[in-house]
Amino acid sequence: GDSVTQMEGPVTLSEEAFLTINCTYTATGYPSLFWYVQYPGEGLQLLLKATKADDKGSNKGFEATYRKETTSFHLEKGSVQVSDSAVYFCALSGLGNTPLVFGKGTRLSVIA
Amino acid sequence: DAGVIQSPRHEVTEMGQEVTLRCKPISGHDYLFWYRQTMMRGLELLIYFNNNVPIDDSGMPEDRFSAKMPNASFSTLKIQPSEPRDSAVYFCASRSSPGGDQLFFGSGTQLSVL
Repeated sequence: GDSVTQMEGPVTLSEEAFLTINCTYTATGYPSLFWYVQYPGEGLQLLLKATKADDKGSNKGFEATYRKETTSFHLEKGSVQVSDSAVYFCALSGLGNTPLVFGKGTRLSVIA
Repeated sequence: DAGVIQSPRHEVTEMGQEVTLRCKPISGHDYLFWYRQTMMRGLELLIYFNNNVPIDDSGMPEDRFSAKMPNASFSTLKIQPSEPRDSAVYFCASRSSPGGDQLFFGSGTQLSVL
């Protein structure tokens, strides 16, 4: 079945460092890909999405490019802030109206 | 819209007691999902509904867990009897199906079973 694998955390970075969180997927067909973010004490919220190969999703300085050839959707940000400390989930939507498939989440801590 | 509304935000109960978690999805959304989040197991899908009908409850851990959706604007997740291992954050999420693959999550219910 469909699955998402993302890098294990936690990730600890200093403010203004470059961030990469790796995500690869296995899916039949051509899924849409997502990054969700969960801030402390809150539910998950959509950060960005891409619906087809070579699409780039971006939001709040974060970017991810849908790479069909490597089945990847890595999340990047050029300069992280303390306020980016959260748990980040990679997800895909499969065929039809099946539920999103989530990765296990990667906890990011940014220190000043 | 107020978003997905869950209540209570925190619930502390004793082992053996019945626990009921509540969810109001976003108006117009026809899919509703219940998730459980723990440090050990991450985010788990428990059950989801489409147009108030349960579609897949294979994620419900035991018969102690049950979920209902009596109408389009309300759902409950019940645990009876509760056990300490049920302690987790329970999330409700909703979405609309026509081209709507974005999930909207509530703020969750932090359940502690002593």
